Amino acid sequence: KAGVTQTPRYLIKTRGQQVTLSCSPISGHRSVSWYQQTPGQGLQFLFEYFSETQRNKGNFPGRFSGRQFSNSRSEMNVSTLELGDSALYLCASSSPQRGLAGAPGEQFFGPGTRLTVL
Amino acid sequence: AQSVTQLDSHVSVSEGTPVLLRCNYSSSYSPSLFWYVQHPNKGLQLLLKYTSAATLVKGINGFEAEFKKSETSFHLTKPSAHMSDAAEYFCVVSGGGGYNKLIFGAGTRLAVHP
Repeated sequence: KAGVTQTPRYLIKTRGQQVTLSCSPISGHRSVSWYQQTPGQGLQFLFEYFSETQRNKGNFPGRFSGRQFSNSRSEMNVSTLELGDSALYLCASSSPQRGLAGAPGEQFFGPGTRLTVL
Repeated sequence: AQSVTQLDSHVSVSEGTPVLLRCNYSSSYSPSLFWYVQHPNKGLQLLLKYTSAATLVKGINGFEAEFKKSETSFHLTKPSAHMSDAAEYFCVVSGGGGYNKLIFGAGTRLAVHP
């Protein structure tokens, strides 16, 4: 199976602009989660989508949003970019873990999109 | 609320010597715990996971971890380090509720010297 793919791999934007990042999950995976990785804050959960619905959200401002399409592909959008939004944005997909009700499935991570805000 | 604390930000070992990366967790219920590894300019890879089955968990590349409830620890070990083990390692706890919210520790950078 092909892994999780993220596009683009690198982006450079200026303050005030907006950006859209894309994530294609592993075939058959219906859950897509997004994470932000920065040197100062580490890895932080942004949100999770399952069957086109956001079912969990981290502690980020409303400038960060996302959506999921019927084919499970997901996009995240950041509006009014700030310098502090410079980060590696990681996407992960998973499917439910069989036999353990409520247990999280293994998450498979993509290579990330490195966003630089100037 | 769930959280993890990685006790060392940097660990340096010689090739062929044991590796110990320490992690303590805090959880209001029986947690799901993971170790992930991140090599430079690469995504995260799952090393191993604990989900209330056996307390000693074996992972890939010779790594293993032991869940100790009494000590709220989930330390990662490997008997003999290899140069290719040099990377950043993250201890992770599931946010719970069956959802895929992972809470990451700050990471431990492992250096392996010849």
